[in-house]
Amino acid sequence: EADIYQTPRYLVIGTGKKITLECSQTMGHDKMYWYQQDPGMELHLIHYSYGVNSTEKGDLSSESTVSRIRTEHFPLTLESARPSHTSQYLCASSELGGHTEAFFGQGTRLTVV
Amino acid sequence: AQSVTQLDSQVPVFEEAPVELRCNYSSSVSVYLFWYVQYPNQGLQLLLKYLSGSTLVESINGFEAEFNKSQTSFHLRKPSVHISDTAEYFCAVSGIEGYQKVTFGTGTKLQVIP
Repeated sequence: EADIYQTPRYLVIGTGKKITLECSQTMGHDKMYWYQQDPGMELHLIHYSYGVNSTEKGDLSSESTVSRIRTEHFPLTLESARPSHTSQYLCASSELGGHTEAFFGQGTRLTVV
Repeated sequence: AQSVTQLDSQVPVFEEAPVELRCNYSSSVSVYLFWYVQYPNQGLQLLLKYLSGSTLVESINGFEAEFNKSQTSFHLRKPSVHISDTAEYFCAVSGIEGYQKVTFGTGTKLQVIP
């Protein structure tokens, strides 16, 4: 059973609001990721981290920011939400090494109105 | 650079019929290959993976995939599908080196028809 949690599961918020999507894992994994998922589109990597104090931008340009102060926690923040940010956001974690399995949270479906 | 192509966005198939979900990849380096499955309202979970050795890998629920290096493919097959196999399936690649990112395909929705 994967131990990676995302909150909230669903969020509807107004334009201009600041939001933080939470992601926590209890597996001690060094690598953590944020993906954006839209219907019919590939999962786009927007942020990743190799460990504490490590954050990198992914392949898809994003106005969001992330932090990695603790191994288990990798929150994603949008300073000013816009309707274009409406999407599903998936958090994942894995051990170091390209051969390792990524464990995914259940996702946060964000709607900005 | 690496990329994954899943040509079929949706695959309808009758229950107990065989199915093949296609995946092709490109990469400038050697890769590991994965299939993930996403059931409705859930996150992705690993179905099977190819790291090395035998090119045919199997999952515990009857799926199998074969790595074909010459055709750069990693197609997923099942000889007889069940209703419970209805889900979205994602092919993914990761470079051999430890800091390589995982690249996913666009996914294939498998709809099993009773």
